[in-house]
Amino acid sequence: QQPVQSPQAVILREGEDAVINCSSSKALYSVHWYRQKHGEAPVFLMILLKGGEQKGHEKISASFNEKKQQSSLYLTASQLSYSGTYFCGTLDKGSGGGADGLTFGKGTHLIIQP
Amino acid sequence: EPEVTQTPSHQVTQMGQEVILRCVPISNHLYFYWYRQILGQKVEFLVSFYNNEISEKSEIFDDQFSVERPDGSNFTLKIRSTKLEDSAMYFCASSDLSSYNSPLHFGNGTRLTVT
Repeated sequence: QQPVQSPQAVILREGEDAVINCSSSKALYSVHWYRQKHGEAPVFLMILLKGGEQKGHEKISASFNEKKQQSSLYLTASQLSYSGTYFCGTLDKGSGGGADGLTFGKGTHLIIQP
Repeated sequence: EPEVTQTPSHQVTQMGQEVILRCVPISNHLYFYWYRQILGQKVEFLVSFYNNEISEKSEIFDDQFSVERPDGSNFTLKIRSTKLEDSAMYFCASSDLSSYNSPLHFGNGTRLTVT
C-alpha cells in the first residue's frame, strides 16, 4: 500500500521553508526521499532507517517517526534549484525484505519562485 | 560517477507489438528494479530482481511482462503484447545493497508510446 504524501503541491518564494510529510499505514523498515525534476529521473536525497532518526545535508533534512510510521522532509531557505517533485519511498515490514522494491507516494510538487 | 544507462530513450510501437527495454545497471550493484511512471503521476513499482531471479513483482507486472539478465551486464524488460495503457516512462534502477539501506540509482528512462 502506497504511502500518503502531503501537501500535494507547494508554492514558495525563494528563501522560504517547506515541510513535506509522508505517512504509511504499515510498519516500515525504512523511508527514502527522492527529488525528480521535470523530464528527468528521480534522484536520491536520503534514507532514514531508525525511528527518531534525523538526517540532513545543507538545508535539506528529514526525520522518521517509526511509531507513527511517518517521515517529514524539511527544506529551509529554499533555493530555485529545489523546485521539482519530491517522492517518499517506503519499504514496509510486511514485505519480503530488502530485495523488494520501494513503494512511492504520489509526490509533492514544489515550485520555488524568485 | 557510475550511472545506470537505458536504451532507447524513446520507443514508439503499435498496440500488440512486443518491445524490449534495455538497461545497464551500475556494475557492482546486485539489486535491479523496473519502475514505470505514467505522465504526471507517481512512480510505480513493477519488479525487483536479485540473484538471477525475480524477488518481488507488483500487480501491474502480469504475464505480459518479463525480465531477464541475459549476460551479466544488461537487464531487460519485455512487454509481449503492448496495450495503449502501457504508454509510460519506464525507469530501471539498481542498488548495491538492498533497498532497506541503500539508495536506488535510476536511469534516465525509456519513454514508451503505444499507438
